[in-house]
Amino acid sequence: DSGVTQTPKHLITATGQRVTLRCSPRSGDLSVYWYQQSLDQGLQFLIQYYNGEERAKGNILERFSAQQFPDLHSELNLSSLELGDSALYFCASSARGLAGSYNEQFFGPGTRLTVL
Amino acid sequence: SQQGEEDPQALSIQEGENATMNCSYKTSINNLQWYRQNSGRGLVHLILIRSNEREKHSGRLRVTLDTSKKSSSLLITASRAADTASYFCATDEAGTALIFGKGTTLSVSS
Repeated sequence: DSGVTQTPKHLITATGQRVTLRCSPRSGDLSVYWYQQSLDQGLQFLIQYYNGEERAKGNILERFSAQQFPDLHSELNLSSLELGDSALYFCASSARGLAGSYNEQFFGPGTRLTVL
Repeated sequence: SQQGEEDPQALSIQEGENATMNCSYKTSINNLQWYRQNSGRGLVHLILIRSNEREKHSGRLRVTLDTSKKSSSLLITASRAADTASYFCATDEAGTALIFGKGTTLSVSS
């Protein structure tokens, strides 16, 4: 058990809908990262938050957004869903996440999103 | 975009044998990490090797790093059926996002 929790485990929805994925980092970790894993693209970094502020952005679509709350949990919002958004979405947390530091990341169990 | 490329893509061995996976990457890194993923589940952090280290051990795992060749290898000794999983290398360039390779799928049969 990594100490990172994600809800829900599974999500089935229709195209055009909007969903919210939730992540609670390990106790004390300030950084939260979101990754998407699909068969064709592999594991892709989406976005990072550090202590409530956006720190880095990866291949995140404009239809996707995220935030980190004062209690450090994070939510990933996916809107106008398309079939191609079906994937495993992982959250990871790290004690650090600042440039030049060692960045061991601990992953949650993931949310499997299926868009029909 | 993928930074690391693992080789081989798939590996099948018998219990007790050693498994070696290789990873190549493209840019300068702070560190390189190896993760394991059991089918459809979360990633488990195995080991982190810093850019100024050449070799690191953790239990049955041995990781090497050659920054001049931009490559790393993961050796699992005395493999067990429970080692069956996908293994990913991930590079950390700037202390933020990890860039993952496509992984090596290891199958250990008893």
